[in-house]
Amino acid sequence: DTAVSQTPKYLVTQMGNDKSIKCEQNLGHDTMYWYKQDSKKFLKIMFSYNNKELIINETVPNRFSPKSPDKAHLNLHINSLELGDSAVYFCASSLPTLTAATQYFGPGTRLLVL
Amino acid sequence: GDSVTQMEGPVTLSEEAFLTINCTYTATGYPSLFWYVQYPGEGLQLLLKATKADDKGSNKGFEATYRKETTSFHLEKGSVQVSDSAVYFCALSKDNNDMRFGAGTRLTVKP
Repeated sequence: DTAVSQTPKYLVTQMGNDKSIKCEQNLGHDTMYWYKQDSKKFLKIMFSYNNKELIINETVPNRFSPKSPDKAHLNLHINSLELGDSAVYFCASSLPTLTAATQYFGPGTRLLVL
Repeated sequence: GDSVTQMEGPVTLSEEAFLTINCTYTATGYPSLFWYVQYPGEGLQLLLKATKADDKGSNKGFEATYRKETTSFHLEKGSVQVSDSAVYFCALSKDNNDMRFGAGTRLTVKP
């Protein structure tokens, strides 16, 4: 059983298009995240949701919009894709403990904008 | 703000060599500290963690000790294997919703 799954695994698209990445976790966690990893492997948090409510929204263009239909899903919709959006996007989830919460990561979605 | 600094890679070692990857942190309060590992083509997975000063996290032969006096959490392994080749991330968290990662250190182990 996959704990945190993402679809699609690879996404190649043209500049200006709109695309979505889906994430699902079957761990029963209340908190989910989206991270962006650039070509140098630097990992930066984009969003955090706790029980369908937005908790963290780092400095991310408003072309990126997360949607959480229920606490097991956190999807990422990207409008008007730009070349600089090319990266690997990771979804993660964790329990809502106060400290030392392990985050469980999905396998990543490799986005290439041409 | 809170941050983590880890040694730049890449690090290349021969099998059975000793590994150290340095990590230092800057944070107010009392963060929890983590090491995550990312194998090629995969997502990150937790390697070990420590929640308070002087705690030692260990897993799969890797160890790291939470040193508050030096604000460090260096990763060590006595004898690396080819299968340890991966990118290693140091991270800190003070609450559940804000994990700060270092830039990652790529380790390559040669037979």
